[in-house]
Amino acid sequence: DTGVSQDPRHKITKRGQNVTFRCDPISEHNRLYWYRQTLGQGPEFLTYFQNEAQLEKSRLLSDRFSAERPKGSFSTLEIQRTEQGDSAMYLCASSQEPGQGKTEAFFGQGTRLTVV
Amino acid sequence: AQSVTQLGSHVSVSEGALVLLRCNYSSSVPPYLFWYVQYPNQGLQLLLKYTSAATLVKGINGFEAEFKKSETSFHLTKPSAHMSDAAEYFCAVSEGYSSASKIIFGSGTRLSIRP
Repeated sequence: DTGVSQDPRHKITKRGQNVTFRCDPISEHNRLYWYRQTLGQGPEFLTYFQNEAQLEKSRLLSDRFSAERPKGSFSTLEIQRTEQGDSAMYLCASSQEPGQGKTEAFFGQGTRLTVV
Repeated sequence: AQSVTQLGSHVSVSEGALVLLRCNYSSSVPPYLFWYVQYPNQGLQLLLKYTSAATLVKGINGFEAEFKKSETSFHLTKPSAHMSDAAEYFCAVSEGYSSASKIIFGSGTRLSIRP
């Protein structure tokens, strides 16, 4: 297993366009997290899944944002009608659920979104 | 709610000198605490974690951190800095009853190493 992978690594889009990012977690991990990191700040939690169930969403996740994990494996994060304030690094992480051994989160390399 | 505060957004040390990055936490329950490192345009890599097994935690690349409940601190240290240690470091706390829960990050400390 090569770890958590995210695609694309970089995305430049025009304001108002929709974008979708993909995250493939470590195969045996059933928890998957999305974070957003703006320049000079720490990552901020957006949402997380256990298997296909979305268990928590941050109030940072406006109606323009939607995340899915339909089969409990990969996840997608879609941003509709992008705004310049959406420009950030979007990080995905995965972990095992509590009681399943090592439970630390492993992060992907992120998708850097630039809205022009 | 749990939170962490990192003291100092930028720390600069000479190569070979002691590295000390400060972190204080706030938690109403015994916390799970972490230090992550981030190199430019990369994701986060776990350096070490505290999960109540031992107060002095050793991590990768020669880093260690000590959990001090009385001071609500979890400072990161390394005896001798190396040029390759230059990166952004994040202290974090797990908001939940295990380390596989939502993680709350501090704002980060950028470590620079002078030759």
